[in-house]
Amino acid sequence: QVQLQESGPGLVKPSQTLSLTCTVSGGSISSGGYYWSWIRQHPGKGLEWIGYIYYSGSTYYNPSLKSRVTISVDTSKNQFSLKLSSVTAADTAVYYCARVLPYDTTPLFDYWGQGTLVTVSS
Amino acid sequence: QSVLTQPPSASGTPGQRVTISCSGSSSNIGSNTVNWYQQLPGTAPKLLIYSNNQRPSGVPDRFSGSKSGTSASLAISGLQSEDEADYYCAAWDDSLCYVFGTGTKVTVL
Repeated sequence: QVQLQESGPGLVKPSQTLSLTCTVSGGSISSGGYYWSWIRQHPGKGLEWIGYIYYSGSTYYNPSLKSRVTISVDTSKNQFSLKLSSVTAADTAVYYCARVLPYDTTPLFDYWGQGTLVTVSS
Repeated sequence: QSVLTQPPSASGTPGQRVTISCSGSSSNIGSNTVNWYQQLPGTAPKLLIYSNNQRPSGVPDRFSGSKSGTSASLAISGLQSEDEADYYCAAWDDSLCYVFGTGTKVTVL
């Protein structure tokens, strides 16, 4: 059973960089066949895709966030990470990591972490 | 930023059938398959339907999905109290972005 767990600071100051890590257990990122994604949910709002990465390092980002987002992978630790720069209060959200199965024309998120709340405030 | 439009709420009594719509465009639903996610209160979303109408293992057959043109629908038949949750449609958009619907809160009366 694949499990994902987000970790990182719950409070980030405006203009700083938000950094989160997702640790994967029960499966190896480097085995291929899956992408690994970050998704966020603003308080009381809907879901927003941030981007995803393949174990080789290929990345796909939401065009609306692309200038501020970096997703990276560390196969030796079976982790992938999110960095979001120049944050504002609008980046306050629950951040989820998820496994992505390429299927048909729309990939599907089949395993999710429990989510971690990141608040941007001074 | 949601480009897939859903009704904000839907409701029904136990045993009833509830349908949720998801309206998109030619660049997303019109040219790509649709997935649906269920988010129970305080939990992470869970995959409910993929590739328009396929159920993952373990999802009851009370849940069904369909797609026509630039719209998709999720139906819950035999509504149960444990179905009270938020439901999101999702699709790949040809602008190279994965898009979610605005979400629908289902209430069991």
